[in-house]
Amino acid sequence: QVQLQESGPGLVKPSQTLSLTCSVSGGSISTGGYYWNWIRQRPGEGLEWVGYIFYSGSTYYNPSLKSRVTISVDTSKNQFSLKLSSVTAADTAFYYCAGGSSVTAIPIAFWGQGTLVTVSS
Amino acid sequence: QTVVTQEPSFSVSPGGTVTLTCGLSSGSVSTTYFPSWYQQTPGQAPRTLIYNTNIRSSGVPDRFSGSMLGNKAALTITGAQADDESDYYCVLYIGSGVVFGGGTKLTVL
Repeated sequence: QVQLQESGPGLVKPSQTLSLTCSVSGGSISTGGYYWNWIRQRPGEGLEWVGYIFYSGSTYYNPSLKSRVTISVDTSKNQFSLKLSSVTAADTAFYYCAGGSSVTAIPIAFWGQGTLVTVSS
Repeated sequence: QTVVTQEPSFSVSPGGTVTLTCGLSSGSVSTTYFPSWYQQTPGQAPRTLIYNTNIRSSGVPDRFSGSMLGNKAALTITGAQADDESDYYCVLYIGSGVVFGGGTKLTVL
């Protein structure tokens, strides 16, 4: 049973870069066919896909965030990470990491518990 | 930009049946979009219910079912229970990415 856990600062200043890490346990991040997603949810709003990195290293981002987002993988630590640059208050949200599988065509099979990031000076 | 549409809210009586739908602002949803469904209760992380149109995720009760209904994907809850009161989101593969619908708030009363 794969489990995910987000970690990172809960408070980020405007114009700075938000950085979060997702630790994967119970399975290898290098397993073929897996997607590693970041999803966010502004308080009181719906879910928004931020992007994913494929097991091969290919990345795909939400077009509305693409210019500010980088998702990367550290296979040695079995982790993947999110960086979102030039943040504003509109980036205040719960951020979830999640895994999916291209083999079973499920974009989001399992979820982390989420972490709240507040953008404020 | 492609918009995935869902009913903003829906109500069902305990024991009743409700069908939530997932469409596109322009065009039709087909199985090639591999629709999936997620349940989220307040304060909790989402839970995966259905993927690839109609496959239940592990541990999901069989009162939840997925299907295609005309030009939309659908999630049907048969025999609704009080703890089914949640937000429900559909997701479609569009291009190389993933798009969430706006979610449906389901009330059981």
